[in-house]
Amino acid sequence: EVQLVESGGGLVQPGGSLRLSCAASGFTFSSYWMSWVRQAPGKGLEWVANIKQDGSEKYYVDSVKGRFTISRDNAKNSLYLQMNSLRAEDTAVYYCARLGFRLGDAFDIWGQGTMVTVSS
Amino acid sequence: DIQMTQSPSSLSASVGDRVTITCRASQSISSYLNWYQQKPGKAPKLLIYAASSLQSGVPSRFSGSGSGTDFTLTISSLQPEDFATYYCQQSYSTRFTFGPGTKVDIK
Repeated sequence: EVQLVESGGGLVQPGGSLRLSCAASGFTFSSYWMSWVRQAPGKGLEWVANIKQDGSEKYYVDSVKGRFTISRDNAKNSLYLQMNSLRAEDTAVYYCARLGFRLGDAFDIWGQGTMVTVSS
Repeated sequence: DIQMTQSPSSLSASVGDRVTITCRASQSISSYLNWYQQKPGKAPKLLIYAASSLQSGVPSRFSGSGSGTDFTLTISSLQPEDFATYYCQQSYSTRFTFGPGTKVDIK
């Protein structure tokens, strides 16, 4: 079964850090672009970051640039999001999503999401 | 960045109704437009990719059309399980954007 499982969410104080993980199974992880998408409580979807199959290209939404880092370990079939200097507005459910062979593809597989709460 | 808008923001419809949702991009995105369905507390689900291609396993009552800046998602005969929020998303640029969503609820 094709599956993405996120972990690492939780409560963190403003200015703090958190590292999210996404474990992939049931497909050849190293063949796909991967992404993080978030959704603040009661709000719409917001794309956060993309990473190419070999990690050589990364793209971020402006609001997280310089604070968040997307990475992957193809040997471990895992995707990561290192989040630093967290702000209240980063509070959201964070989804790991499979993008496709090409950057222009769609998000065809999603994880169940992990909640990140930034609050003092 | 490319801005995406959707209309309406919400609509009320009955089972069996034909429903159309519109998505507009702030610049041409060719056919790099995808549609997702999201139910409360659940992850989004891909319905339509590349503007008009039906994702595997998605019922044929869902269809998409358009290119350039204007796109539509049509549900030909609304079913009880279709009450949800629908999002469009562009994958034309290196930085993706979603529309604000359209909530479809029961009349």
